[in-house]
Amino acid sequence: GAVVSQHPSWVICKSGTSVKIECRSLDFQATTMFWYRQFPKQSLMLMATSNEGSKATYEQGVEKDKFLINHASLTLSTLTVTSAHPEDSSFYICSARGVVRGGYEQYFGPGTRLTVT
Amino acid sequence: GQSLEQPSEVTAVEGAIVQINCTYQTSGFYGLSWYQQHDGGAPTFLSYNALDGLEETGRFSSFLSRSDSYGYLLLQELQMKDSASYFCAVSAIKAAGNKLTFGGGTRVLVKP
Repeated sequence: GAVVSQHPSWVICKSGTSVKIECRSLDFQATTMFWYRQFPKQSLMLMATSNEGSKATYEQGVEKDKFLINHASLTLSTLTVTSAHPEDSSFYICSARGVVRGGYEQYFGPGTRLTVT
Repeated sequence: GQSLEQPSEVTAVEGAIVQINCTYQTSGFYGLSWYQQHDGGAPTFLSYNALDGLEETGRFSSFLSRSDSYGYLLLQELQMKDSASYFCAVSAIKAAGNKLTFGGGTRVLVKP
């Protein structure tokens, strides 16, 4: 299958600071990238969908000014958590969708664990 | 909107068979996927059904009935390493892309 990477894999930051998480599709072009958030023992909740070169579409209840998403190229999307607070501590997972082996497929990154102190 | 229901937890012994059911409500249904997630890890793709019927991939099989808005994941010859959470997810065609909506997950515990 195709490979999606995330960086960093984990990060600890102080309350009030901003954190940027990168998501890269390593061997295919991702026309669409999705950002999910998962709290312990809960399901993955979709935060936003981004298409390359377009503004992200946010799910209801997700603050677009707090979670800034940029999808500037077909292989890179970034999620910036601005003015982070302890309640933003979570597991953030990206997913990239593109043409792989002749058809559209979707792959998940390994996730980024964010802890805000 | 979309909603998916699946059992929260299942316990079984090694070598057994487990069936995880998933019922869904959605508009613009495209397909049903299954993912496995070990604690601390990211979801890994297991299976996908767009048409009615059974898809078999090794020890894991997935079934879909579009008319019943129902699917299941069948885990056979359970192994200890199969202890994980299993999520069903619906693909629905939306203007912004073919996004996935996940069920709450079923935690499978395999005992010796």
